[in-house]
Amino acid sequence: AQKVTQAQTEISVVEKEDVTLDCVYETRDTTYYLFWYKQPPSGELVFLIRRNSFDEQNEISGRYSWNFQKSTSSFNFTITASQVVDSAVYFCALSPYNTDKLIFGTGTRLQVFP
Amino acid sequence: NAGVMQNPRHLVRRRGQEARLRCSPMKGHSHVYWYRQLPEEGLKFMVYLQKENIIDESGMPKERFSAEFPKEGPSILRIQQVVRGDSAAYFCASSPGPGTSGGAAGAGTDTQYFGPGTRLTVL
Repeated sequence: AQKVTQAQTEISVVEKEDVTLDCVYETRDTTYYLFWYKQPPSGELVFLIRRNSFDEQNEISGRYSWNFQKSTSSFNFTITASQVVDSAVYFCALSPYNTDKLIFGTGTRLQVFP
Repeated sequence: NAGVMQNPRHLVRRRGQEARLRCSPMKGHSHVYWYRQLPEEGLKFMVYLQKENIIDESGMPKERFSAEFPKEGPSILRIQQVVRGDSAAYFCASSPGPGTSGGAAGAGTDTQYFGPGTRLTVL
């Protein structure tokens, strides 16, 4: 079965705290792609990152970083020094090899308070 | 820098009416995907289209739902005889196509860029 689990339904932090959003996936494919999207209160989906299964290097982009661990089938997302503008629902998604669809987790709602 | 366009942004229909949702992909993108997001849930894949072709409709309900992506013009998701359970946000995404993002094969390896969504309310 292909599945994405985001066990954290909602997280609340105070500005400047670091926060990690968990993502665990299931697939039997050896080649696949993982994504994170942000859905702010305005409702659109914003692409954050795409990672293929052969690249386990961690990635950092400004205050955002991603930790991909094939051994635990996890692709976690960390926001450093969170800001109020980071408040959104964050979705992790899986795209198995040679398919055309994204399989989304149920999302984690992050609230950052001033 | 025109991204994926969807209209209308909000649509209200009464039970039994038809709903038509439109999606114009990003410039240069020839692949369109439709997803549905029910309240408090993640997005669920519905259908994948290329120009004039339906490639994968495995997520489409068997009845009342149809999609097209004509040679000219936007992609259309049509819902006939809407029911209250159709109330949801419908998102369209587009991608350039297979192989253009360095992927080995399959359009699923491309990054899909999403539109702002159409929020359908059925009264």
